[in-house]
Amino acid sequence: GENVGLHLPTLSVQEGDNSIINCAYSNSASDYFIWYKQESGKGPQFIIDIRSNMDKRQGQRVTVLLNKTVKHLSLQIAATQPGDSAVYFCAEKREYGNKLVFGAGTILRVKS
Amino acid sequence: DTGVSQDPRHKITKRGQNVTFRCDPISEHNRLYWYRQTLGQGPEFLTYFQNEAQLEKSRLLSDRFSAERPKGSFSTLEIQRTEQGDSAMYLCASSLGTGWYSPLHFGNGTRLTVT
Repeated sequence: GENVGLHLPTLSVQEGDNSIINCAYSNSASDYFIWYKQESGKGPQFIIDIRSNMDKRQGQRVTVLLNKTVKHLSLQIAATQPGDSAVYFCAEKREYGNKLVFGAGTILRVKS
Repeated sequence: DTGVSQDPRHKITKRGQNVTFRCDPISEHNRLYWYRQTLGQGPEFLTYFQNEAQLEKSRLLSDRFSAERPKGSFSTLEIQRTEQGDSAMYLCASSLGTGWYSPLHFGNGTRLTVT
């Protein structure tokens, strides 16, 4: 099937450190990108999104960076907390259409 | 709770049986999506409604799968003659489709186990 980011890596960080989760996407025609957090037994929870005409967007403790030249998306989490432990998914929307295509995810583990 | 609601949370069924899941979206959202997620994978798109119209279906949605949204509010997803490969988490999401694209808000899913 279609995938953005073909791996399910694990990132372990110390509480209070900053986290950076990366995602590679394959379709240069995508015009919208989004990050979700998924905790065990729950559905994906929206974190932050970015349109293709932007390269950076900030939220509360989170920043998304978009590099269209190399088709790369990243999520930065400042002062990572134990509650940030989850699986993080990036997703893209193709230019014509309304569905999101998800990657396989990254596991974030926060050590106290 | 004004989020997306899915029922049931868990369903165990025997191979060959039919199952039906329900999704109640956020009330003002006109777009509704069904996704399927297997362990260790990201959600895979199944189908999408705008109001009561089903506008897109994935190749994953075989003829055993059918989804409806009869009044443009809640939706049902039915799987006929279930197979073990249908075991997965079925996620529903909704969004407000006005102007530019808005994020999907997901429910907590229905976990289907086919024995």
